[in-house]
Amino acid sequence: EVQLLESGGGLVQPGGSLRLSCAASGFTFSVYAMSWVRQAPGKALEWVSAFTANPVNQYYTDSVKGRFTISRDNSKSTLYLQMDSLRADDTAIYYCVRDPWGAHFDHWGQGTPVTVSS
Amino acid sequence: QPVLTQSPSASASLGASVKLTCTLSSGHSTFAIAWHQQQPERGPRFLMKLNSDGSHVKGDGIPDRFSGSSSGAERILTISSLQSEDEAAYYCQTWGTGIWVFGGGTKLTVL
Repeated sequence: EVQLLESGGGLVQPGGSLRLSCAASGFTFSVYAMSWVRQAPGKALEWVSAFTANPVNQYYTDSVKGRFTISRDNSKSTLYLQMDSLRADDTAIYYCVRDPWGAHFDHWGQGTPVTVSS
Repeated sequence: QPVLTQSPSASASLGASVKLTCTLSSGHSTFAIAWHQQQPERGPRFLMKLNSDGSHVKGDGIPDRFSGSSSGAERILTISSLQSEDEAAYYCQTWGTGIWVFGGGTKLTVL
């Protein structure tokens, strides 16, 4: 059974940093593209960042470029999102998602909440 | 880059059928999309990947009541025999060069 378990969310002040983790199990993590998707309160889903497997590459939505860094440790089957220079509009639930086609998501984690506030 | 357009809301009666539409922007009518369901206060779940020819691959455990079809740039999710638990937000999603895109979502109310 595919499982994606996010952790690392919490309350942080504007300008602060957080590191999210997503522990994956039930599939061969290293061959899959993975993404982070967020949802601000009462808003639609928004793709944030992707880490593709073949070829290896990282992608970001414009609003987080230069502030967020996606990475992965295939030996630990874990995806990360380092979030720096956080702003109030980064407040959201952050979901880890699997992408078997390099284009469409087929499994979601339960999400981890991030609140940026003073 | 593709843009996905969805109606903000839809409604249908318990036991009836409903069609939810996701429209791809000009120049992207051959793109496949994925449908995702988000019940109130829950995380999203994958329903199906829907190709331009109407063929689709469903997620684990998705009932036969959920089906997909395509017509030109439209990707259609049909839910038959509506149940109360189908009241949810439905999002379509696709990919462009280096960017992954969601539609704005349709909030389905089951009357």
